[in-house]
Amino acid sequence: AQSVAQPEDQVNVAEGNPLTVKCTYSVSGNPYLFWYVQYPNRGLQFLLKYITGDNLVKGSYGFEAEFNKSQTSFHLKKPSALVSDSALYFCAVIEDSNYQLIWGAGTKLIIKP
Amino acid sequence: EAGVAQSPRYKIIEKRQSVAFWCNPISGHATLYWYQQILGQGPKLLIQFQNNGVVDDSQLPKDRFSAERLKGVDSTLKIQPAKLEDSAVYLCASSLGQRTTNEKLFFGSGTQLSVL
Repeated sequence: AQSVAQPEDQVNVAEGNPLTVKCTYSVSGNPYLFWYVQYPNRGLQFLLKYITGDNLVKGSYGFEAEFNKSQTSFHLKKPSALVSDSALYFCAVIEDSNYQLIWGAGTKLIIKP
Repeated sequence: EAGVAQSPRYKIIEKRQSVAFWCNPISGHATLYWYQQILGQGPKLLIQFQNNGVVDDSQLPKDRFSAERLKGVDSTLKIQPAKLEDSAVYLCASSLGQRTTNEKLFFGSGTQLSVL
């Protein structure tokens, strides 16, 4: 069965420093991977996705994610964090032969000034 | 472009009462989803519609939850009777095409339900 794990409940980063939010997945076929962000009292917003091709995917708000097939990971990164990046981040995976999107439990990102 | 609209924004009810949520997806989007998001967890799919047909309702507690999407546009999700464990945020999302596979979802702001 497909699954996705976000091993950190919370990540704390100082403003201006690089940030990484981790995600690992398990599927039997080819994965399609997504990152969504949820700001307080808001719905989820799409950040980026990996379908095929270049392992480094660029998305909204300066975020990027690197697909690593051997480590079954899809970590979210940003070179320089902003206080406004503070939010809840969700990784999700879907297997190409299965149409159900499976979500991680989320990681709370806190950027301190 | 108008986003996914949901109402009400908040709802407080007592256990065993009934409640209904409404969702208006983005115009032209064929697929509509209802998710339940319990505090501290990722979204859990309750039901997925493609136009006005059900694609997946395997995780919908059908003894108390029901949903419909009349005319393939608006949708309502109902809980009757509500239990304490139904306290959660109910998110509606829509996507343009027929399948989830590689499309992004557009989410509404959600309805926060508290069952007392």
